[in-house]
Amino acid sequence: DIQMTQSPSSVSASVGDRVTITCRASQGLSGCLAWYQQKPGKAPKVLIHTTSTLQSGVPSRFIGSGSGTDFTLTISSLQPEDFATYYCQQAYSFPLTFGGGTKVEIK
Amino acid sequence: EVHLLESGGGLVQPGGSLRLSCEASGFTFSSYVMNWVRQAPGKGLEWVSGISVDGGSTYYADSVKGRFTISRDNSKNTLSLQMDSLRAEDTALYYCVQGLQSYWYFDFWGRGTLVTVSS
Repeated sequence: DIQMTQSPSSVSASVGDRVTITCRASQGLSGCLAWYQQKPGKAPKVLIHTTSTLQSGVPSRFIGSGSGTDFTLTISSLQPEDFATYYCQQAYSFPLTFGGGTKVEIK
Repeated sequence: EVHLLESGGGLVQPGGSLRLSCEASGFTFSSYVMNWVRQAPGKGLEWVSGISVDGGSTYYADSVKGRFTISRDNSKNTLSLQMDSLRAEDTALYYCVQGLQSYWYFDFWGRGTLVTVSS
């Protein structure tokens, strides 16, 4: 099984800050990685898939990058509505697996 | 508009069974892979099971393999998850999730149905 390690587990930031979340896979994913945002009491929402493809309707401040085993989600200028928990997910092989999550909190 | 409505959750004793259902509408159900993803209270996301568009291929997390069975009825736009030999660690909110295009990413999510395994 592919293990997904996300870091940090939490980050405190201010509106306007640049925030970077990393996800490391235990083996190469051939770019098959997605990022999700989840707000309290809500279902997750896909932001980015296939490493860097922005899902329709998602603001361009969300940027995905990476290759091989190392991937990054960058929020270029944090907005109030971005405070949430973020998860990465590999779709390279079964069983599909998620990272442990990164909670972005208000500083 | 895509709509996924889960049902069938509840309180069950360890070792018991439950059958979850998901009614889909607003899209061509038979054209999308479907999944179940769960989230234990206060915890992260865990993929449980996935099924191909025609139901011919099914996939499971190691934690549920041999105990859970996923199925779909494309004539009724329904996804199901039969859960047997339930354990306390299966307690979670279970989401029905549409696959993203032809990929095994997760696009539209239902609101979830809560399964509690406790004596």
